[in-house]
Amino acid sequence: GAGVSQSPRYKVTKRGQDVALRCDPISGHVSLYWYRQALGQGPEFLTYFNYEAQQDKSGLPNDRFSAERPEGSISTLTIQRTEQRDSAMYRCASSLSASTGELFFGEGSRLTVL
Amino acid sequence: AQSVTQLGSHVSVSEGALVLLRCNYSSSVPPYLFWYVQYPNQGLQLLLKYTTGATLVKGINGFEAEFKKSETSFHLTKPSAHMSDAAEYFCAVSGIGGYQKVTFGTGTKLQVIP
Repeated sequence: GAGVSQSPRYKVTKRGQDVALRCDPISGHVSLYWYRQALGQGPEFLTYFNYEAQQDKSGLPNDRFSAERPEGSISTLTIQRTEQRDSAMYRCASSLSASTGELFFGEGSRLTVL
Repeated sequence: AQSVTQLGSHVSVSEGALVLLRCNYSSSVPPYLFWYVQYPNQGLQLLLKYTTGATLVKGINGFEAEFKKSETSFHLTKPSAHMSDAAEYFCAVSGIGGYQKVTFGTGTKLQVIP
């Protein structure tokens, strides 16, 4: 597609429910990143992929968080048993290759856990 | 490991005045450095980047930044602020080559006063 597309844009869920956030990167972009951004803060790295391989998941806060990119294109970030502290903007970005460092961001998915 | 520190979470300037947003980095390897801008309710977009070569880099909308290795700085400047420059600005760093994650600072919100 023309830009990075994320869905849903807004998600409200109850504590304990699982949520899945989807990212469709720019066509042909090899690298895909997930970030979390709290209000008034900079984006916090969660994980990234090159093609379908998860290269670094050091930023995932705990084992309730997981991500996949099975065919090297669309990616899903899943949060199990959500907690209120998971409420944030989740941003996806893609890059032609990780070595350029130039990221193209989507508009984000705002998650609110009640 | 890399990190960036942005001095001043909020900066106010008058329209037409010089804009100076400060960023200092820490990196165990030669860095790539970036400035991203985020307008309200939008994703981040790249303003400019330093990889190698010329230390003064020019970006979009009249912004520029200078890489100073001796000072580990990458400050963002614009000679004359415009109302449309009001946004949040993020400095970011990654390591050169290979597959590297991009680490962001906490951001500086720029207010332009008419």
